[in-house]
Amino acid sequence: GAVVSQHPSRVICKSGTSVKIECRSLDFQATTMFWYRQFPKQSLMLMATSNEGSKATYEQGVEKDKFLINHASLTLSTLTVTSAHPEDSSFYICSAPGQGAAGYTFGSGTRLTVV
Amino acid sequence: GESVGLHLPTLSVQEGDNSIINCAYSNSASDYFIWYKQESGKGPQFIIDIRSNMDKRQGQRVTVLLNKTVKHLSLQIAATQPGDSAVYFCAENTRGSARQLTFGSGTQLTVLP
Repeated sequence: GAVVSQHPSRVICKSGTSVKIECRSLDFQATTMFWYRQFPKQSLMLMATSNEGSKATYEQGVEKDKFLINHASLTLSTLTVTSAHPEDSSFYICSAPGQGAAGYTFGSGTRLTVV
Repeated sequence: GESVGLHLPTLSVQEGDNSIINCAYSNSASDYFIWYKQESGKGPQFIIDIRSNMDKRQGQRVTVLLNKTVKHLSLQIAATQPGDSAVYFCAENTRGSARQLTFGSGTQLTVLP
């Protein structure tokens, strides 16, 4: 079945540094990728929608200069957390529509810890 | 804005009993609903879905009920097993929303031995 490979699964970084998270669609083309953030004991909150070849659409309250999204190819979308701070520590999950069960394929998530 | 899933955060059931997890939604334009299971540190796993033109759908050991009148969704798990322990989320897709999913607040299901 359709698979979205998300890397890294875990990352610890120092405050002020940047971290890149990759989501790669395997065996299918993902023209759209949804990026979610999930704080402990909370639900998945949509951060932004990336579209191949165009600018990402950010949800209200999400800083586009802080969370840089690039969707340069039909199989790769990346989220870069710039100048990370401890409050950015969270679980980040990507999802590609159009494939998989119920029409959505999720990545396995990235646990970001900023120290 | 509108939201999904403002119900109980935790549910404990005895192994072998049936579980019922509830979810409320407020967007009447939503026409597609999905239940996901999420284990710690993992992405959501599809369980079952239902479209708004249906009020019930059954899968293997799971049943989803949709009550559009009161905007309520439920997931029933029959003969709950220890492996069912996880957080369960309902998610909705709204017509015309570019296929974005809005997730409910989630329910932590714990199966007791």
